[in-house]
Amino acid sequence: QVTLKESGPGILQPSQTLSLTCTFSGFSLSTYGMGVGWIRQPSGKGLEWLANIWWDDDKYYNPSLKNRLTISKDTSNNQAFLKITNVDTADTATYYCARIILGYFDFWGPGTMVTVSS
Amino acid sequence: QIMLTQQAESLWISPGERVSITCRASQSLLYTDGKHYLSWYQQRPGQTTKALIYHASVRTDGVPTRFIGSGSGTEFTLSIEHVQPEDFAIYYCLQTLKSPLTFGSGTKLEIK
Repeated sequence: QVTLKESGPGILQPSQTLSLTCTFSGFSLSTYGMGVGWIRQPSGKGLEWLANIWWDDDKYYNPSLKNRLTISKDTSNNQAFLKITNVDTADTATYYCARIILGYFDFWGPGTMVTVSS
Repeated sequence: QIMLTQQAESLWISPGERVSITCRASQSLLYTDGKHYLSWYQQRPGQTTKALIYHASVRTDGVPTRFIGSGSGTEFTLSIEHVQPEDFAIYYCLQTLKSPLTFGSGTKLEIK
């Protein structure tokens, strides 16, 4: 049974770095073809893809966030991470992690809400 | 980047009816393996986002057969036959052919 769960700080101030953790079970990120992605959704708005990391440590980022994103993984502890530097109010959103396989996100976490406010 | 357009922001239908949600891509989503990298997702309040369809027309495990994905090239459709009360939700398409991955803007299915 595949499950994913996101965790984050809940609230942080502008210019800080947002650190998110995705803890998953039911699969290994060392398995060929497996990946985890991060997606976010401001309240009442649509979905925005942020980044993917693959079993071979290949990484892809959304260029709209320029160089603010860093994705990483800890295979032995079944976790994936996302850091977003220099946050502002536009980064307020629910952040999701999801497994990616066969070219789609087959399982999603419930999401973690992040508010950027001074 | 590849743009996905879901023209309808909302669709109002009655339970039991059939509905089609369209998603248009700014370029073909066909890869050299013969598959289209277009998937569909359902969002319901209080529930995790659910994958319905991948490769344009393949239902994911456990998805009812009333959900049908079709289309090719740049035009794709998610059809729901005999809409059930639990199908009133927001539906998104996603392309994974090229990075950056992009979602459609979403279509909300509402009760008439």
